[in-house]
Amino acid sequence: NAGVMQNPRHLVRRRGQEARLRCSPMKGHSHVYWYRQLPEEGLKFMVYLQKENIIDESGMPKERFSAEFPKEGPSILRIQQVVRGDSAAYFCASSPLPRGGDQYFGAGTRLSVL
Amino acid sequence: DQQVKQNSPSLSVQEGRISILNCDYTNSMFDYFLWYKKYPAEGPTFLISISSIKDKNEDGRFTVFLNKSAKHLSLHIVPSQPGDSAVYFCAASTTSSNTGKLIFGQGTTLQVKP
Repeated sequence: NAGVMQNPRHLVRRRGQEARLRCSPMKGHSHVYWYRQLPEEGLKFMVYLQKENIIDESGMPKERFSAEFPKEGPSILRIQQVVRGDSAAYFCASSPLPRGGDQYFGAGTRLSVL
Repeated sequence: DQQVKQNSPSLSVQEGRISILNCDYTNSMFDYFLWYKKYPAEGPTFLISISSIKDKNEDGRFTVFLNKSAKHLSLHIVPSQPGDSAVYFCAASTTSSNTGKLIFGQGTTLQVKP
């Protein structure tokens, strides 16, 4: 009964590099959410995906950020040309139900941009 | 526009006593509410949830109360234990929408003193 698995736990990138964050949902869950927590703030919704579909990306910055959840493999949150303001904790959650219900979170990826 | 508010940044209680954490919301479309506990450098851990068709839900030491007319919910922990010391987030969602994204409050840091 593995929980939501995120890797890497810590990621250090220099400005202008790309960051790739991975999330494997709980077994049997096909709904994935990404949230970001900036220092001293609560979690903010970024994107909601089902297998091969982006359902709601209303919380994603318009540029440099993208997400996918392929038929096989983990969900990926990709940040291109990172800037210092992207430094944050990125959390993935999964749910067995569409459109909400109880969401279960991974341990997060802490991104530091130098 | 903070739709979910936790107005107390911190709370300190004695071991064995009751901890009451409060949360207010402004969006009347919210119909599902959750509480999470978070330790430093870890992901949020799901504690308990409540649908708007109920006014109370209980699970062990944790009870959530929902007052829809006041747009207020609270989490009661009885008895409080030192291991309960963590940041507590309330979150809300609208299950009738096409997304189950959670809107989080800013969190309340609970300290339970031995």
